[in-house]
Amino acid sequence: AQSVTQLDSQVPVFEEAPVELRCNYSSSVSVYLFWYVQYPNQGLQLLLKYLSGSTLVKGINGFEAEFNKSQTSFHLRKPSVHISDTAEYFCAVSDLGSGSARQLTFGSGTQLTVLP
Amino acid sequence: KAGVTQTPRYLIKTRGQQVTLSCSPISGHRSVSWYQQTPGQGLQFLFEYFSETQRNKGNFPGRFSGRQFSNSRSEMNVSTLELGDSALYLCASSWTGGETQYFGPGTRLLVL
Repeated sequence: AQSVTQLDSQVPVFEEAPVELRCNYSSSVSVYLFWYVQYPNQGLQLLLKYLSGSTLVKGINGFEAEFNKSQTSFHLRKPSVHISDTAEYFCAVSDLGSGSARQLTFGSGTQLTVLP
Repeated sequence: KAGVTQTPRYLIKTRGQQVTLSCSPISGHRSVSWYQQTPGQGLQFLFEYFSETQRNKGNFPGRFSGRQFSNSRSEMNVSTLELGDSALYLCASSWTGGETQYFGPGTRLLVL
């Protein structure tokens, strides 16, 4: 079985400061990794994904993440945040075992609050 | 290309009733998955459909069911509603299910 741990439930940061949202996963097989963002009263929007290839993945809105297989981590980073980045961020994993590749397992979420 | 659409967006029901939620995937996508989001349990996988067949099911009671039509549109049904079924129900679609899933805006269900 796979699991995802988001180490920080809340991250406050000042505008224009850098931010890192941490995500660790456990799985016995190869995985796909995703970060989604959820704004209030909305669904999930895909920020970025790692399926294969380069371990540094760039996404929308200036976000990037690095897949570290040895540490089973997929931390999300942005060098300079804006007020509009305030939202909840979810890390998710889909492992490539038979059947479960079609199921996303989510972390508990990190609420990013950007302060003026 | 239009995104995933879900109807209705909001719903209020009473305990014991049943409810049907609808999801239209992105054009061309044949896999539809459903997730439940609650403050206590977070995001949990309900089930996934591909070509009108349920391929994968999460750990939910039999009161939760779904189906998929030949045009890939999907519905989920919850019978005998309980207060704990109050949640945001999210639908996601993908080409075949093994890659990126794109989510709809969700249906917020309140059970009184």
